[in-house]
Amino acid sequence: SQQGEEDPQALSIQEGENATMNCSYKTSINNLQWYRQNSGRGLVHLILIRSNEREKHSGRLRVTLDTSKKSSSLLITASRAADTASYFCATLDGKGNNRLAFGKGNQVVVIP
Amino acid sequence: EAQVTQNPRYLITVTGKKLTVTCSQNMNHEYMSWYRQDPGLGLRQIYYSMNVEVTDKGDVPEGYKVSRKEKRNFPLILESPSPNQTSLYFCASSFLTGNTEAFFGQGTRLTVV
Repeated sequence: SQQGEEDPQALSIQEGENATMNCSYKTSINNLQWYRQNSGRGLVHLILIRSNEREKHSGRLRVTLDTSKKSSSLLITASRAADTASYFCATLDGKGNNRLAFGKGNQVVVIP
Repeated sequence: EAQVTQNPRYLITVTGKKLTVTCSQNMNHEYMSWYRQDPGLGLRQIYYSMNVEVTDKGDVPEGYKVSRKEKRNFPLILESPSPNQTSLYFCASSFLTGNTEAFFGQGTRLTVV
């Protein structure tokens, strides 16, 4: 099955800086989603971008999708200490089984 | 409040002792699934269900069972747990359309000794 792969896997930044992480996938998709996970807790949905969309914004989040390169990026602007978490991309294929395939995650540490 | 509730949150058990992890959602979602999360391996889907009495295997179903007798509940059953099933487990639910977010439970940390 397809699987997102985030890059880089660990990122440490100062508060106020921007954080960018990337995700690549292997097969055609219906949509791509980003989730955040605070240490040991459940995943929380951040943003969903459909395959016919190229860019989407939500607050300090900006997601891009390039279906020709099978890749996506998540940008967090003006990071805060509370953004410290793991970030996962997940892809939904177009096969109708509703299965999300998750990448291995990016750990982001924002230093106050 | 829309939520997915898993129980227990933490569980330590011994090899071979049957256990059930419960999952319940209050959003009338058709789709429910179970994942396990292991360091370096990310989240892997164990089983999923597209509606009542409809279940199917995910990527790592060996050693697990599920049932979907009611729309809101999707228990995960380990008939004979083994140490390699020590993991962090998540239940998730969503509408079947696919273009909506998935909601996750808070996780169950299982240790099998």
